[in-house]
Amino acid sequence: QVQLQESGPGLVKPSQTLSLTCTVSGGSISSGSFYWSWIRQPAGKGLEWIGRIYISGSTNYNPSLKSRVTISLDTSKNQFSLKLSSVTAADTAVYYCARGPDPIAGYQFYMDVWGKGTTVTVSS
Amino acid sequence: SYELTQPPSVSVSPGQTASITCSGDNLGEKYACWYQQKSGQSPVLVIYQDRKRPSGIPERFSGSNSGNTATLTISGTQAMDEADYYCQAWDSSTVVFGGGTKLTVL
Repeated sequence: QVQLQESGPGLVKPSQTLSLTCTVSGGSISSGSFYWSWIRQPAGKGLEWIGRIYISGSTNYNPSLKSRVTISLDTSKNQFSLKLSSVTAADTAVYYCARGPDPIAGYQFYMDVWGKGTTVTVSS
Repeated sequence: SYELTQPPSVSVSPGQTASITCSGDNLGEKYACWYQQKSGQSPVLVIYQDRKRPSGIPERFSGSNSGNTATLTISGTQAMDEADYYCQAWDSSTVVFGGGTKLTVL
């Protein structure tokens, strides 16, 4: 049973870079055909997809965040990471990592395993 | 950019059928999926590829997608089904979420 766990600083200062890591257990991040995503949710609000990465290193990002986002893989540690630069209070949210199967049928993408989430507050 | 629209809230009595809609331009030409998020928990996939249920999801959860609307149907709704529900689609190499619907079981 694959499990995901987010980790990183809970407090980040404005204008700095938010850095989070997702550790995958119960399976290898390199095996199978999966995308690895980051999603966030401000308190009391809906879900916002940040981006995803494939084992090949190929990435897709939310256009609204693309200029500030980098997602990377570390297969030796079975982890993938998120960096979000120039953060403001609007980036305060619960950040989730998730796994999504490489679609076999059709133009689609969904996420079948999620981490428990980690709260990041942007404040001086 | 592509948008998905959900009603903010839906109410249902225990044992009755709840229907939650998700509207988007020609959504029926894409695949839709649905997530359930209970208070303080992370989202759980309940429907993918319009109508398929992941292992462990009760049969009372079903989905459909046609025209401009995808629908999540919960038959014989139970108190444990009270949660926020989000639809999601894939468009222009981007994940798009609906705004979410709060399902209240009265």
